[in-house]
Amino acid sequence: EDQVTQSPEALRLQEGESSSLNCSYTVSGLRGLFWYRQDPGKGPEFLFTLYSAGEEKEKERLKATLTKKESFLHITAPKPEDSATYLCASVGGSYIPTFGRGTSLIVHP
Amino acid sequence: DAGITQSPRHKVTETGTPVTLRCHQTENHRYMYWYRQDPGHGLRLIHYSYGVKDTDKGEVSDGYSVSRSKTEDFLLTLESATSSQTSVYFCAISEFWDRVSRGSYEQYFGPGTRLTVT
Repeated sequence: EDQVTQSPEALRLQEGESSSLNCSYTVSGLRGLFWYRQDPGKGPEFLFTLYSAGEEKEKERLKATLTKKESFLHITAPKPEDSATYLCASVGGSYIPTFGRGTSLIVHP
Repeated sequence: DAGITQSPRHKVTETGTPVTLRCHQTENHRYMYWYRQDPGHGLRLIHYSYGVKDTDKGEVSDGYSVSRSKTEDFLLTLESATSSQTSVYFCAISEFWDRVSRGSYEQYFGPGTRLTVT
């Protein structure tokens, strides 16, 4: 059974304080590892897809990386507008996405 | 933004009544999904569709049925609503599911429907 575990559940940062979110996954035949951002009261918004270990993707202050067992979402010099819940999901041999429970990020000014 | 709408956006209903939620897309994507999101559980897949009239169950399908008669519409029905089905429901779409190459599996989500069963 595919599993995705995200940590920490919640993270509070000061503006400018860089940090990383973790996504550990167990999946047979990884076909993609995905990161989404979800703002309160809205649907998740797609951020990145990673396909193989060693791959990295960047967008503004966010950088996603992938190893054979984990993915990290690095946030560099975050701003209050980066506050959101970040979701990780994997797609493996079953082709059915498996989501983690998310990390709630709050960035204080 | 992907063209996905959900209706209604909010609904309050009584236990035992039938409820239908609608998802409409303008992207012509083949795959459509229904999720529910609850505190402590994250997103859980209810049903999904891989084409017109082609649907399959997800991990929490009991008490739910779906139909897809057109590419653009995916309906979720609660035959007899229960309080445990109080949740936020999200529809999602994805472009294709290519079994040979990696394909394009990322999903695009609608704005959600908040359903309360009293």
